[in-house]
Amino acid sequence: QVQLQESGPGLVKPSQTLSLTCTVSGGSISSDSYYWNWIRQPAGKGLECIGRVYGSGSTIYNPSLKSRVSISVDTSKNQFSLKLNSVTAADTAVYFCARARLEGDVHVYYFDYWGQGTLVTVSS
Amino acid sequence: QSALTQPASVSGSPGQSITISCSGSSSDVGGYYFVSWYQQHPDKAPKLMIYDVTNRPSGVSNRFSGSKSGNTASLTISGLQAEDEADYYCSSYSSRTTLVIFGGGTKLTVL
Repeated sequence: QVQLQESGPGLVKPSQTLSLTCTVSGGSISSDSYYWNWIRQPAGKGLECIGRVYGSGSTIYNPSLKSRVSISVDTSKNQFSLKLNSVTAADTAVYFCARARLEGDVHVYYFDYWGQGTLVTVSS
Repeated sequence: QSALTQPASVSGSPGQSITISCSGSSSDVGGYYFVSWYQQHPDKAPKLMIYDVTNRPSGVSNRFSGSKSGNTASLTISGLQAEDEADYYCSSYSSRTTLVIFGGGTKLTVL
């Protein structure tokens, strides 16, 4: 059974860098069959895709966050990570990691496994 | 403002059917069969209920069904049950970003 678990600081000061890690168990993050995603949800609001990373390390970012975001993969630890710099109160949200499938070269555009989410508050 | 438009709330009595709409554009909902629906209970992660417009993952009740017409997708829940009370989010692939975009969510109340 695949499980994803987010970890990282729950409180970040304005202008600093938000750093989160998602640990994957029950499957290999380097598999060609999946890609790995970060999604966030401000309190009482909808969901927003931040970006995705492949086992190879290549990435796609949300254009609205592209200048501030970096997603990387550590296959030795079966983890992928999110860094969001120059944070403001608007970045306060629950951050989820999630898995999506690749069927050969074809992307599947839905998320079948999610982490439980972690609340990150941006405040001084 | 979310990329896809959903009603803020819907309600129904046990046993009834309800439909939640999700409006987008030709760059997302209307242009691809990559619409999904998620159920989210308070303080929980979203759960996939429908994918690729009409498909149900294993283990999801057949009371949940999806459809699409033009730029609008719909989720129908028949035979409403108390445990269906939750927030529901639609999503779609967007060619503008090559990412998945979501609706703002619909709160379903079972009266």
